[in-house]
Amino acid sequence: AQSVTQLGSHVSVSEGALVLLRCNYSSSVPPYLFWYVQYPNQGLQLLLKYTTGATLVKGINGFEAEFKKSETSFHLTKPSAHMSDAAEYFCAATNQAGTALIFGKGTTLSVSS
Amino acid sequence: DTEVTQTPKHLVMGMTNKKSLKCEQHMGHRAMYWYKQKAKKPPELMFVYSYEKLSINESVPSRFSPECPNSSLLNLHLHALQPEDSALYLCASSQGDRGGEETQYFGPGTRLLVL
Repeated sequence: AQSVTQLGSHVSVSEGALVLLRCNYSSSVPPYLFWYVQYPNQGLQLLLKYTTGATLVKGINGFEAEFKKSETSFHLTKPSAHMSDAAEYFCAATNQAGTALIFGKGTTLSVSS
Repeated sequence: DTEVTQTPKHLVMGMTNKKSLKCEQHMGHRAMYWYKQKAKKPPELMFVYSYEKLSINESVPSRFSPECPNSSLLNLHLHALQPEDSALYLCASSQGDRGGEETQYFGPGTRLLVL
């Protein structure tokens, strides 16, 4: 069965530093992949998604992710962190039937000044 | 309009109460979802409605009863809940019924406390 692993439950960076949040999926068939962000006391908001085609995906708020089939990875990056990026980030992948999302456990991003 | 609305924002209920959560979207989406999210955990899928029919029930206890009165509205009826049911309940919608392949739009959630 499909599973999604997010390495690091908590990542701390300084303002202006590179943000790297790691995500690996388990399926031998590349699924659709998503990154969602959740700010405190809010629902989830889509940052970006990979379906097919270009492996470097650009999303909102300056985030991007690169799909690497050989590494079964879909890591999220942002060149320069901003205080407003502090939130919970979830990586998600399609289940085998394509009917639902499987979420990773989430990574809390803290940004210090 | 890419908004999913949920009411109420907060709900406190006793174990013998009956209450309902409401979710609404006006994006013409044909699939709607209920998720349960405990603190510091990812959302867990509870139910999926596709074209107003229940298509996925993730073995949720019968004290949770979903209802989809029309394509824009999704309810979750609650009865005889347990304290461990306290959580953030999220509603989401997507354009079609391939919920794993499409963008799901989430509402802000209802924070439920069961006493």
